[in-house]
Amino acid sequence: EVQLVESGGGLVQPGRSLRLSCEASGFTFNDFDMHWVRQAPGKGLEWVSGITWKTDNVGYAASVKGRFTISRDNAKNSVYLQMNSLTTEDTALYYCVKAMERKVTARHFDSWGPGTLVTVSS
Amino acid sequence: DIIMTQTPLSSPVTLGQPASISCKSSQSLAHSDGNTYLSWLHQRPGQPPRLLIYKVSYRFSGVPDRFSGSGAGTDFTLEISRVEAEDVGVYYCMQGTQLPRTFGQGTKLEIK
Repeated sequence: EVQLVESGGGLVQPGRSLRLSCEASGFTFNDFDMHWVRQAPGKGLEWVSGITWKTDNVGYAASVKGRFTISRDNAKNSVYLQMNSLTTEDTALYYCVKAMERKVTARHFDSWGPGTLVTVSS
Repeated sequence: DIIMTQTPLSSPVTLGQPASISCKSSQSLAHSDGNTYLSWLHQRPGQPPRLLIYKVSYRFSGVPDRFSGSGAGTDFTLEISRVEAEDVGVYYCMQGTQLPRTFGQGTKLEIK
């Protein structure tokens, strides 16, 4: 059974940094692209960032580009999101998401973690 | 970016009756590889989303056959043949054809 467990969320002041982690199990981690999707309180879903299974390509939403950095450690079955220069607009539940497709570009998301809440407030 | 627009935003339905949700994209979702990467997700209150339909009409593993997807190009539909109580929540369409991946704003399904 696929399991994704996020951690690292919390309350942080504007301008500060936070690092999210996601530990995966139940599948061959290094065969799949991994992504982060966020959901502001009471709002819809917003794709944030993704990293390929080979770690040779990353992508970011315009709203976070230059501030967030995604990475993965295939030896630890983990994906990370380093978030710098946080603003109140970044307040959201951050989901770690697994691609459905193996060893090709992720087109669909088939497994979601429970999420970790990031609150940016002074 | 491709804009995904869902209608309606709210849908009160009677148990056992059908329901339908529309999703329109601002550009064609047909990819040069011949596939169309449109998926539907369902989010129950307090839970993460789960995948229902991928590539327009393929049901994901474990999804009941009362759910079906159709469409092409820029117009897509999710249909539930007979709504059950567990179907309440918010439904999202998502395009996987182009980066960045984008979602519809969500349609809330409620029981009358």
